[in-house]
Amino acid sequence: KAGVTQTPRYLIKTRGQQVTLSCSPISGHRSVSWYQQTPGQGLQFLFEYFSETQRNKGNFPGRFSGRQFSNSRSEMNVSTLELGDSALYLCASSLTATSGNTIYFGEGSWLTVV
Amino acid sequence: AQKITQTQPGMFVQEKEAVTLDCTYDTSDPSYGLFWYKQPSSGEMIFLIYQGSYDQQNATEGRYSLNFQKARKSANLVISASQLGDSAMYFCAMREIGSGGGADGLTFGKGTHLIIQP
Repeated sequence: KAGVTQTPRYLIKTRGQQVTLSCSPISGHRSVSWYQQTPGQGLQFLFEYFSETQRNKGNFPGRFSGRQFSNSRSEMNVSTLELGDSALYLCASSLTATSGNTIYFGEGSWLTVV
Repeated sequence: AQKITQTQPGMFVQEKEAVTLDCTYDTSDPSYGLFWYKQPSSGEMIFLIYQGSYDQQNATEGRYSLNFQKARKSANLVISASQLGDSAMYFCAMREIGSGGGADGLTFGKGTHLIIQP
């Protein structure tokens, strides 16, 4: 079956712009979470959605936001981009939002802010 | 304090040898899950193996096994008969279930860069 799909794979944005990243989870999975990976900070949890509701949020400023649709697809948005937002953004999906469910990741979206 | 500690920033291993990647964790939650992921240079995070805190037996998935020592808060990944394609970054991660029953996001270690030499 199809895995977690993220689009776009690569993008370049200018400081001050905004960006929207998309994630389609594995069919049947209702929990979607987002992570940021940078060389300096490593992998950090952004937020998690389950049944269109944000369940958890990491320690990121309000410029980072997300949403989940009724078909479980999710988008994350970063407004007023800063150079430090350059990162690999990874989306993950699982059946439900409990620790007993295996979490699968997509290939990620590489964002470069110039 | 770090919740996930991976003490080996890099490792060089001969092809066909077994590899053990270290991971220790810190949590006060009795219920949690431990994960290992492989990340090649392409960036995709590939799920390898999962161990629940209440699982009695060590998890195994093909050539991967998890040496789970709960009292020592250790969850080492063992790769048997290493292959050239195993060269990648490897991340240990934990997901805790809070007192309210909901699970938190994954907390990752800093990773181990494994290089398999022919």
